[in-house]
Amino acid sequence: QVRLQESGPGLVKPSQTLSLTCTVSGGSISSGNYYWNWIRQPAGKRLEWIGRVDSRGNTYYNPSLKSRVSISEDTPKNQFSLKLASVTAADTAIYYCARAVDDSAYSLDYWGQGTLVTVSS
Amino acid sequence: SYAVTQTPSVSVSPGQTATITCSGDKLGDIYVSWYQQKPGQSPVLVIYKDINRPSGIPERFSGSNSGNTATLTITGTQAMDEGDYYCQAWDSSVVVFGGGTKLTVL
Repeated sequence: QVRLQESGPGLVKPSQTLSLTCTVSGGSISSGNYYWNWIRQPAGKRLEWIGRVDSRGNTYYNPSLKSRVSISEDTPKNQFSLKLASVTAADTAIYYCARAVDDSAYSLDYWGQGTLVTVSS
Repeated sequence: SYAVTQTPSVSVSPGQTATITCSGDKLGDIYVSWYQQKPGQSPVLVIYKDINRPSGIPERFSGSNSGNTATLTITGTQAMDEGDYYCQAWDSSVVVFGGGTKLTVL
């Protein structure tokens, strides 16, 4: 059973960088045909895909956030991380990490429990 | 950029059939997944590749996708099916979600 767990600060000041880590257990992020994703959800709003890293370390980001986002992986620790720069109150959301199958459907089959990040001074 | 839209809310009586739709330009040409999200919980995949149910998802959940519309159908809806449902597609390497449909079981 694959499990994902987000971790990181729950409060970030405006203009600073949001940093989160997703720890994966029950499977290796460097093997298999999977994408490892970050997704966020502001309170009462829709899910928004932020970006992904694949098992080969390749990344792809949502064009709307591309200029501020960086996703990286730490294969020895079986973790992948999100950095979002120059945050504002609009970046306040629950942040999820999730796994997607590398096929033509991109179904997100395993999700973390989510972590609330609030941007406030 | 590609976008998919959903009706904000659907109400159904217990035991009846709930139909939740997702619309997008030529949506039938790409795969759609559906997620159920209950308050305070993470989304759960209930349909993938238009019509497939993951292990553990009840048979009352089914999906279809043709033309510009994908549909999630819950046959014999139960109170436990209440929640928000999101459709999701993958177009030009970008993942897009619908705005969600709140299913109320009256």
